[in-house]
Amino acid sequence: AAGVIQSPRHLIKEKRETATLKCYPIPRHDTVYWYQQGPGQDPQFLISFYEKMQSDKGSIPDRFSAQQFSDYHSELNMSSLELGDSALYFCASRLTGLSEQYFGPGTRLTVT
Amino acid sequence: GIQVEQSPPDLILQEGANSTLRCNFSDSVNNLQWFHQNPWGQLINLFYIPSGTKQNGRLSATTVATERYSLLYISSSQTTDSGVYFCAVGPTYNFNKFYFGSGTKLNVKP
Repeated sequence: AAGVIQSPRHLIKEKRETATLKCYPIPRHDTVYWYQQGPGQDPQFLISFYEKMQSDKGSIPDRFSAQQFSDYHSELNMSSLELGDSALYFCASRLTGLSEQYFGPGTRLTVT
Repeated sequence: GIQVEQSPPDLILQEGANSTLRCNFSDSVNNLQWFHQNPWGQLINLFYIPSGTKQNGRLSATTVATERYSLLYISSSQTTDSGVYFCAVGPTYNFNKFYFGSGTKLNVKP
């Protein structure tokens, strides 16, 4: 069965650079979620989209933005990167009407 | 937001032992999932269990929604069971949010 795809899997950036993370949800899933997991921490909700519209927002820094495109894939854009942005970023998708979320393998971002 | 508490925070087992992990939550939920995070960071979906009981091999889970807790049972543990186990819940009042507990770090020794 198709799963959530995230790219890239690993990314190394320097401070003050920008990064773009991509997420391809399971086909027919209309809701996408982004999470950030710092070292030794639990995943924290960043932002979600339903039918290409932002549906909810968590503790997402103003330096980050995200959108969902017409093909339902989503991108998380991160600017002015800081050392503290080093983390594992997960994308998850869900089909409206069902509550279970399906998680991608994550993108490991390292900021040096 | 909803509070999710997991216990114990750390657990060391000898291979072959059984264990029970607990997840308490502070409000009614429409989604509860258990995950195993492996050493490579991947979140493996173990159970989707907002209520009732499910079993999958050596693992089983029970959620008592009215009392706001869930239990994950691991029987005959193996070294490959090591990692962090997360409980995560979606509150009934907001389908768009999903809250993780702080996890139980399991170390199974040979």
